[in-house]
Amino acid sequence: DTGVSQDPRHKITKRGQNVTFRCDPISEHNRLYWYRQTLGQGPEFLTYFQNEAQLEKSRLLSDRFSAERPKGSFSTLEIQRTEQGDSAMYLCASSHPDRATYEQYFGPGTRLTVT
Amino acid sequence: GQNIDQPTEMTATEGAIVQINCTYQTSGFNGLFWYQQHAGEAPTFLSYNVLDGLEEKGRFSSFLSRSKGYSYLLLKELQMKDSASYLCAVTGTYKYIFGTGTRLKVLA
Repeated sequence: DTGVSQDPRHKITKRGQNVTFRCDPISEHNRLYWYRQTLGQGPEFLTYFQNEAQLEKSRLLSDRFSAERPKGSFSTLEIQRTEQGDSAMYLCASSHPDRATYEQYFGPGTRLTVT
Repeated sequence: GQNIDQPTEMTATEGAIVQINCTYQTSGFNGLFWYQQHAGEAPTFLSYNVLDGLEEKGRFSSFLSRSKGYSYLLLKELQMKDSASYLCAVTGTYKYIFGTGTRLKVLA
């Protein structure tokens, strides 16, 4: 399977704990995106990487959220001091470097539940 | 600011045609996307429009008018498996803004 993979698929944590999620994009895709999605809403953009450079990020990532893509391949998203409002599906997507094709391929997501 | 509006829910009958509208306001525009998302699953790509006009792909077509900030997704010969949420998204530079999605129910 050469699709986008995410790990873990589900995470239950207690309020105040830190969590880290991993995303492995499709191998030839140099663009990587993180989104957060809650029930009944569309995906909310969090951040964008082109290779290892973080080129765009939501204001959400200036506080307890941080993302890295150290070698331009896999990426991690960390949430520090989790709050109940962080409960959501965290989606990763990647896209091909060909500028004519902006199609994003989404991973299955990591469902976070903060108790 | 950036904003996307699409209807919350629509219902249609199997075999019919349905049009899902999307209006947007964005400070920069580099394309409009439609994604399909079944409950509990990740979004999957349906279409991409960057120039005005109609893009057709099988039973699905998407239209764009940049001057009006308007797009629609047209689904023909509806099937039960088309019951899903349909997400409209626009991109300026690197950031993608998604609408809340239109939940389509296809009835037998």
